[in-house]
Amino acid sequence: GQQLNQSPQSMFIQEGEDVSMNCTSSSIFNTWLWYKQDPGEGPVLLIALYKAGELTSNGRLTAQFGITRKDSFLNISASIPSDVGIYFCAGRLNAGGTSYGKLTFGQGTILTVHP
Amino acid sequence: DSGVTQTPKHLITATGQRVTLRCSPRSGDLSVYWYQQSLDQGLQFLIQYYNGEERAKGNILERFSAQQFPDLHSELNLSSLELGDSALYFCASSVSPENTEAFFGQGTRLTVV
Repeated sequence: GQQLNQSPQSMFIQEGEDVSMNCTSSSIFNTWLWYKQDPGEGPVLLIALYKAGELTSNGRLTAQFGITRKDSFLNISASIPSDVGIYFCAGRLNAGGTSYGKLTFGQGTILTVHP
Repeated sequence: DSGVTQTPKHLITATGQRVTLRCSPRSGDLSVYWYQQSLDQGLQFLIQYYNGEERAKGNILERFSAQQFPDLHSELNLSSLELGDSALYFCASSVSPENTEAFFGQGTRLTVV
């Protein structure tokens, strides 16, 4: 089945540092999403990307939809302790058929920020 | 608060039993999705409903079933439970199947003992 490879699996950084994580797919997606999950909570949508090459920011977060449509990255600038959590990428296959709305998730990047 | 409500938050049950997880989508959302999150499998799509009808099926076991009711709430039924079914079960909702911005509930943590 469809798989997303997300890296790195975990990161340990100092407060104030920038963070970068990415996802790659063996197939084309027409939508990329980035979620953050805190312990005991559901994933929270951070950024949605709909066009190849699109670069979108949300505060200190910036994400890009790769030109090949097979990858995406998320950058977090000037990290703070509350950035701690698990970050997931998710992609949606081309619309139509039975794949409507289905999201395929990466395995997650565990981010730890040391004060 | 995403606006998606899931109950119960925690559930402990024995092997062989049957449980029902409930989800109320965000106001105005017609599409509901169910996901399973386990340590070894990550977030896995189970099934999607739109306005009461099944729209997409993922890696959902035959022992599991779901439905969406006229008031748009959804239930996920898990039967003949096994230890390996222990996981977090998330419901998400979106305005329509075409709308990819799905919002997740806080999940139900199922422990099978």
